[in-house]
Amino acid sequence: GQNIDQPTEMTATEGAIVQINCTYQTSGFNGLFWYQQHAGEAPTFLSYNVLDGLEEKGRFSSFLSRSKGYSYLLLKELQMKDSASYLCAVRDSNYQLIWGAGTKLIIKP
Amino acid sequence: DSGVTQTPKHLITATGQRVTLRCSPRSGDLSVYWYQQSLDQGLQFLIQYYNGEERAKGNILERFSAQQFPDLHSELNLSSLELGDSALYFCASSVRGNEQFFGPGTRLTVL
Repeated sequence: GQNIDQPTEMTATEGAIVQINCTYQTSGFNGLFWYQQHAGEAPTFLSYNVLDGLEEKGRFSSFLSRSKGYSYLLLKELQMKDSASYLCAVRDSNYQLIWGAGTKLIIKP
Repeated sequence: DSGVTQTPKHLITATGQRVTLRCSPRSGDLSVYWYQQSLDQGLQFLIQYYNGEERAKGNILERFSAQQFPDLHSELNLSSLELGDSALYFCASSVRGNEQFFGPGTRLTVL
């Protein structure tokens, strides 16, 4: 079967750094996406990885290791507005997106 | 603003009724996806259309159906509604299998 695992909830402090992990087992791999979703709002695209390594975009970075079926999203200089759910999704061999259940990130002052 | 529009924004109805949710994708996007998200739950993929044809099916109930029209807008029909169908329904669009852009969602409340 296809499976994506993320921690259910994480807590971090404003100004700190947090790493949200995602492990996956899918039928094939054609890229991994990270989305941010504030409560009651639509998910918004954050990053895309298809090759191994780190992609940096401002305060957010995403890392991929295809051999380990593993990715992480790194958020630096956390702000209160970063409180949201972070969704990991993998595009499989049929170019279908398989979604993780999301990680709820709580930022404390 | 993602460029994906959904109507209505809110819908309140009674059990046993039928409703239609509408989605207009971003200009140029041929793929449309429908998702259901119940309170504090993850996204549940329902169905995908590509240029008018059904491309993939997820956990879509038999009481639910969808279609994509020649102008590429899509409709999701929910019938014989139950209390458990209360949820946020998102539509997303993409260029082939690239990143999906989500509409603001329709919040359905079944009383």
